[in-house]
Amino acid sequence: ETGVTQSPTHLIKTRGQQVTLRCSSQSGHNTVSWYQQALGQGPQFIFQYYREEENGRGNFPPRFSGLQFPNYSSELNVNALELDDSALYLCASSLTWDSETQYFGPGTRLLVL
Amino acid sequence: SQQGEEDPQALSIQEGENATMNCSYKTSINNLQWYRQNSGRGLVHLILIRSNEREKHSGRLRVTLDTSKKSSSLLITASRAADTASYFCATEDNAGNMLTFGGGTRLMVKP
Repeated sequence: ETGVTQSPTHLIKTRGQQVTLRCSSQSGHNTVSWYQQALGQGPQFIFQYYREEENGRGNFPPRFSGLQFPNYSSELNVNALELDDSALYLCASSLTWDSETQYFGPGTRLLVL
Repeated sequence: SQQGEEDPQALSIQEGENATMNCSYKTSINNLQWYRQNSGRGLVHLILIRSNEREKHSGRLRVTLDTSKKSSSLLITASRAADTASYFCATEDNAGNMLTFGGGTRLMVKP
């Protein structure tokens, strides 16, 4: 157990819809990173939030956005869902932005039909 | 895009045997980490090796890093059926705020 939780565990959406995924970090961790993991592949970095501001972004379009709240919770929002957005979405919390160790949640599996 | 490649993509061994997985990467790194993932669930951090280290041990795990060849290996000794999982290497670059993962090695340990 890493102390990082995510909700929901599974989600089914239709193409064009919007989705919000939630993550609760370890207490005291001011940094959260989000990753997308397509089936059979390694995770890909979406973005990182540090003290409620975006602190780095991977190669993902602007329809992927996030929020981080002072209570160690965060959200990943995806607009205009596409079939290729079907994946496992993982959040990871760390003590601060350049901490070596990230603690991963169990993930949310999103299916876009 | 993924930083590196892992080799082999899949590995099947008998309980008690050793398992070796290799990882190659492309750019300069701050450190390299190995993670384990069971059945598409969350990632569990196994071990971290810094760019100025060459070898590290943790229980039945041994990791090596060769920065001149931009490669790393993970050795699991005396494997158990419970070691069955996917194993990923991940590199942290000098910016220090993101991990770049390889494609993973799927290990099956038969009892």
